[in-house]
Amino acid sequence: AQKVTQAQTEISVVEKEDVTLDCVYETRDTTYYLFWYKQPPSGELVFLIRRNSFDEQNEISGRYSWNFQKSTSSFNFTITASQVVDSAVYFCALSEWNYKLSFGAGTTVTVRA
Amino acid sequence: DAGVIQSPRHEVTEMGQEVTLRCKPISGHDYLFWYRQTMMRGLELLIYFNNNVPIDDSGMPEDRFSAKMPNASFSTLKIQPSEPRDSAVYFCASSFVLKRAEDYYGYTFGSGTRLTVV
Repeated sequence: AQKVTQAQTEISVVEKEDVTLDCVYETRDTTYYLFWYKQPPSGELVFLIRRNSFDEQNEISGRYSWNFQKSTSSFNFTITASQVVDSAVYFCALSEWNYKLSFGAGTTVTVRA
Repeated sequence: DAGVIQSPRHEVTEMGQEVTLRCKPISGHDYLFWYRQTMMRGLELLIYFNNNVPIDDSGMPEDRFSAKMPNASFSTLKIQPSEPRDSAVYFCASSFVLKRAEDYYGYTFGSGTRLTVV
């Protein structure tokens, strides 16, 4: 069963628009961790944010923000005022009790100048 | 810290040949993971180790794949014999786990090895 679902396959925006990426996860654990990773065209996987299941406080870090809602098992990610350099594939990931990291299928974001 | 180091960055080999991918985790990290990324299957976990011991190899596709971690600073993923369908990017990642569930822990990925089997 798919543990992490990213329903959006591709998103295309014009520079300076906001981009929100959806992520829905499935777990029976009470303790778990959620992540967002970015994979630019160069191919490396870059850690962006992490949230544990104990903390539903939503935060903003620079142009990134996230909305974690346990009630709906969602962990959405927003890029504010997008830039061309934000063009990448974004992955949502879940880590459960066994510390295995399960990735969603990824959302390709294209930011046009 | 140099991060997770993988070698080689690119590997092109002929079908039937043995391929060995290498990974050096971050010092002090007690978990090591091998992932494979393909267009069709996305990022899938192949195997992971804790304190050099394999914990779960259920993602290893076939007996042609094997992984070892002889010490805390080195791991290999071997494919023998290689086939064209093994062509993918292979990532190694390492992680540490603190003792309290609410403490931070994170995964650091290497740059990956792009394997092409012709």
